[in-house]
Amino acid sequence: AQSVTQLDSHVSVSEGTPVLLRCNYSSSYSPSLFWYVQHPNKGLQLLLKYTSAATLVKGINGFEAEFKKSETSFHLTKPSAHMSDAAEYFCVVMGGGGSYIPTFGRGTSLIVHP
Amino acid sequence: DTGVSQDPRHKITKRGQNVTFRCDPISEHNRLYWYRQTLGQGPEFLTYFQNEAQLEKSRLLSDRFSAERPKGSFSTLEIQRTEQGDSAMYLCASSVETSGEETQYFGPGTRLLVL
Repeated sequence: AQSVTQLDSHVSVSEGTPVLLRCNYSSSYSPSLFWYVQHPNKGLQLLLKYTSAATLVKGINGFEAEFKKSETSFHLTKPSAHMSDAAEYFCVVMGGGGSYIPTFGRGTSLIVHP
Repeated sequence: DTGVSQDPRHKITKRGQNVTFRCDPISEHNRLYWYRQTLGQGPEFLTYFQNEAQLEKSRLLSDRFSAERPKGSFSTLEIQRTEQGDSAMYLCASSVETSGEETQYFGPGTRLLVL
């Protein structure tokens, strides 16, 4: 069984300040983990993924995430928020053991103030 | 543009009518997934295909829902006798497994409103 918990439904930051979106996962196997972003009326876009290589993963648009097995976390960060980062962010876990079915978190809405 | 396309982008229908959605995956992606997303929630898995074979279906997929991928390329999702609770965004994604890794690429979705 696998599950993912996004700890904040909304995160509000000022433009130019750091972003932290939190994600904890549960998986019986060594999972693959993903962050997707969804802008209004747009499809889901892959930001970054972890698949058992380097634990610090760099993605597009300056985002990165660190896989911490001991904490079962995969938090998404960005040093400096931009207005265009305002969107819904989804953490996704896809377990090993032959399972191809991903589980999505409920999403975190990132609000960026000027 | 991820390359996955879905048609139509929006559909309004009356309760009890049948609707059909189409998904065209990225060329040579052998896996195709359908999801449903309601407001304020993450996408929920419905079903997936590997080539033309439907390998798994969620318990969310009632008997009124049927999906096909006849030639292992495009896929259709049909909902019969629609209900107001079927109103949602229906997402399609495609992928191919490479060296034990898989990444899904999503289409823009079909937004269904059942009146």
